[in-house]
Amino acid sequence: GENVEQHPSTLSVQEGDSAVIKCTYSDSASNYFPWYKQELGKGPQLIIDIRSNVGEKKDQRIAVTLNKTAKHFSLHITETQPEDSAVYFCAASGYSTLTFGKGTMLLVSP
Amino acid sequence: DTAVSQTPKYLVTQMGNDKSIKCEQNLGHDTMYWYKQDSKKFLKIMFSYNNKELIINETVPNRFSPKSPDKAHLNLHINSLELGDSAVYFCASRGSHVGYGYTFGSGTRLTVV
Repeated sequence: GENVEQHPSTLSVQEGDSAVIKCTYSDSASNYFPWYKQELGKGPQLIIDIRSNVGEKKDQRIAVTLNKTAKHFSLHITETQPEDSAVYFCAASGYSTLTFGKGTMLLVSP
Repeated sequence: DTAVSQTPKYLVTQMGNDKSIKCEQNLGHDTMYWYKQDSKKFLKIMFSYNNKELIINETVPNRFSPKSPDKAHLNLHINSLELGDSAVYFCASRGSHVGYGYTFGSGTRLTVV
């Protein structure tokens, strides 16, 4: 089955800095890579996703990149704000269940 | 209207009891899931149902029994609760034609004492 590794487990940045979270996956058949943000006491919420036929996708301050050859994908957040503080999960799937990474706790200090 | 709603939000119960968690989605999605999130925040798939049929049953103790009366509902019944069952349980749903993203409920925090 699919295995998703996510790094780092914790990331502390100053407000305004950029943050990068990296994931690797094992199953070359995976073709869908979403990112979720989980705030305290809430369920994970989809913030951006990318499919295997695309190398990069942007949505305002958030971007995701995918390197299919290396089986790597990354989340980039620019101009971080305190409200970006949360746990972020990457995930990968083919046509069935999503497999999640173990999460990254992002702390943005004012 | 909440897209995926779970009840209850909090559940505190004694070891050995039987409890149920309910989930409903109003998105018209075909597939629903139960995930368990442990204290380290790891999200692990438990069950998946597609149009009321069980399609994934991970290595979960048979004390856990999902039931899907219709494709909008997926309930989770747990028998003989143990301390190790304490976790946050998330219901999620996924449509078949609008991409592969899941919509999660807000979770049920189960504490077994």
